[in-house]
Amino acid sequence: GENVEQHPSTLSVQEGDSAVIKCTYSDSASNYFPWYKQELGKRPQLIIDIRSNVGEKKDQRIAVTLNKTAKHFSLHITETQPEDSAVYFCAASLLKNYGGATNKLIFGTGTLLAVQP
Amino acid sequence: SAVISQKPSRDICQRGTSLTIQCQVDSQVTMMFWYRQQPGQSLTLIATANQGSEATYESGFVIDKFPISRPNLTFSTLTVSNMSPEDSSIYLCSVETKFPNTEAFFGQGTRLTVV
Repeated sequence: GENVEQHPSTLSVQEGDSAVIKCTYSDSASNYFPWYKQELGKRPQLIIDIRSNVGEKKDQRIAVTLNKTAKHFSLHITETQPEDSAVYFCAASLLKNYGGATNKLIFGTGTLLAVQP
Repeated sequence: SAVISQKPSRDICQRGTSLTIQCQVDSQVTMMFWYRQQPGQSLTLIATANQGSEATYESGFVIDKFPISRPNLTFSTLTVSNMSPEDSSIYLCSVETKFPNTEAFFGQGTRLTVV
């Protein structure tokens, strides 16, 4: 089955700096890679995702890159702000377009990001 | 999007007892997922619940310990049976929507403490 590794486990940056979190996956069939942000005591929420047919996707200060050959993908946050402080999880899944498939997400171990003001 | 209501939000239970967690979705969904998140840890999938059939359990999780019901397309329950302190964790339900985009939504979680 799929296995997702995530690094680093903790990351501390100064406000305004960039933060990069990296994940690797084991199943080359996986084709969907979302990133979730979980603030303390709250539920995980999707912040960005990427499918295997693209190499990069941006949404304002957040970007995700994917290297299918190496089976790794990364989250990039630029101009970090204190409100970016949270735990970030990467995940991998196999999306199937026909019915009856289970699109279960396998999560990485999480990165605690602390943005120092 | 999907709005998920999960309850209870927290509970403190005696060892040896059982707790049933409920998850209600505001729209019909094919699959519902149950996760466990131990303190400071990642989310581990317990099982996938499909309406009208038995749930599919991940390695390390069994139906006798975590029975799941899925009576209709908007509701599911997870029971944590014969609890021990090792079951203390946050339990989350999740659904996936496909339109307009694929996205997983989570309930607010149930924080379970077993004493």
